[in-house]
Amino acid sequence: DAGITQSPRHKVTETGTPVTLRCHQTENHRYMYWYRQDPGHGLRLIHYSYGVKDTDKGEVSDGYSVSRSKTEDFLLTLESATSSQTSVYFCAISRGGNYGYTFGSGTRLTVV
Amino acid sequence: QQQVKQSPQSLIVQKGGISIINCAYENTAFDYFPWYQQFPGKGPALLIAIRPDVSEKKEGRFTISFNKSAKQFSLHIMDSQPGDSATYFCAASFGGTSYGKLTFGQGTILTVHP
Repeated sequence: DAGITQSPRHKVTETGTPVTLRCHQTENHRYMYWYRQDPGHGLRLIHYSYGVKDTDKGEVSDGYSVSRSKTEDFLLTLESATSSQTSVYFCAISRGGNYGYTFGSGTRLTVV
Repeated sequence: QQQVKQSPQSLIVQKGGISIINCAYENTAFDYFPWYQQFPGKGPALLIAIRPDVSEKKEGRFTISFNKSAKQFSLHIMDSQPGDSATYFCAASFGGTSYGKLTFGQGTILTVHP
């Protein structure tokens, strides 16, 4: 979607390696989120950020860390990738409150 | 804890028919209920949203019905078209200090046959 990009779009990695996914926005929105999408589970929140260097855990944060050093960038790191982290990862941005999200196009991550 | 439960998991409708997807929530603090539409290979996109002070909201062929006492809300797609074939997610959030976090349902795969 315009204003938010995710990279890479696809990645295959080996078990035990670290992986970093990037989310970049040009909307200057305060809030950014990382979700994972898995069949039967919908979208589950991993981590979110409510400002530069302000982040917190979501419901499925184990094995993931995030960083936000600039308003426009929100990085998701899998510290030591496992097969259970094979998923599609979505970044979203929001003005907060009840304004809803704008999602990126997703990153399909496969851990072999 | 799954706070938003969505059904059915999949739905097949004939062109011109009505598609109905239901969601139930547990947290009475929720005060914003959006629906998202997702096409294959794309991120979800906001379709329509409702707040609990109204019982129904309509935008074109898409209608949200909201029942606060039953803690349920549903999406109705009138005159369903093959182009509506997608995955639909309901979601809920509350204001205040929640930082706009959305809790999503499990998703419904809608297929509209020509």
